[in-house]
Amino acid sequence: DTGVSQDPRHKITKRGQNVTFRCDPISEHNRLYWYRQTLGQGPEFLTYFQNEAQLEKSRLLSDRFSAERPKGSFSTLEIQRTEQGDSAMYLCASSPKTSGSYNEQFFGPGTRLTVL
Amino acid sequence: AQSVSQHNHHVILSEAASLELGCNYSYGGTVNLFWYVQYPGQHLQLLLKYFSGDPLVKGIKGFEAEFIKSKFSFNLRKPSVQWSDTAEYFCAGRSPASSASKIIFGSGTRLSIRP
Repeated sequence: DTGVSQDPRHKITKRGQNVTFRCDPISEHNRLYWYRQTLGQGPEFLTYFQNEAQLEKSRLLSDRFSAERPKGSFSTLEIQRTEQGDSAMYLCASSPKTSGSYNEQFFGPGTRLTVL
Repeated sequence: AQSVSQHNHHVILSEAASLELGCNYSYGGTVNLFWYVQYPGQHLQLLLKYFSGDPLVKGIKGFEAEFIKSKFSFNLRKPSVQWSDTAEYFCAGRSPASSASKIIFGSGTRLSIRP
């Protein structure tokens, strides 16, 4: 499967614990995005990388959240001291970069986080 | 502020009925608009997109959408739905002037098709 992959698919944790999610984009896609989706809502943008550079962060991304893409390939999203309000589906997407017009974002299956 | 609104949260139709899902956007200037679909247990995938030109956009699986600038709308249509169209549909927008990346999604419309 050459699509965007995310690991784990499901994560249950206790409040206060740290969690880390991984996203592997489609190879050769140099743009990578993280979104969060809660029940009954559409995805909300969290952050965006072009290669290893984190170029944009949403105000939704509190200090407890950090994302990295150290080698410009896979990315990790870490949530420290999780809270029940962090329970959501975390989606990753990637797109190629070409000059000129926008390119489609391809989404992964998501990681569903449940904070007890 | 930029936003995308979908007012129909849940639509129930019988097979062969015609479909129209509403989407309104709030953007100044140029806007790129999208419809994404999420079938049960599957990833979000792009149905169609509008950047410029012909305001009637055709997508996959017989879907189309019409960009009406005067109404700030981008409604999704299909003349005859099938049971397999049961899914969640998201309208989304992007302002190329403000960000090279960020897409703003509506809250989604769940479509249920009765066989």
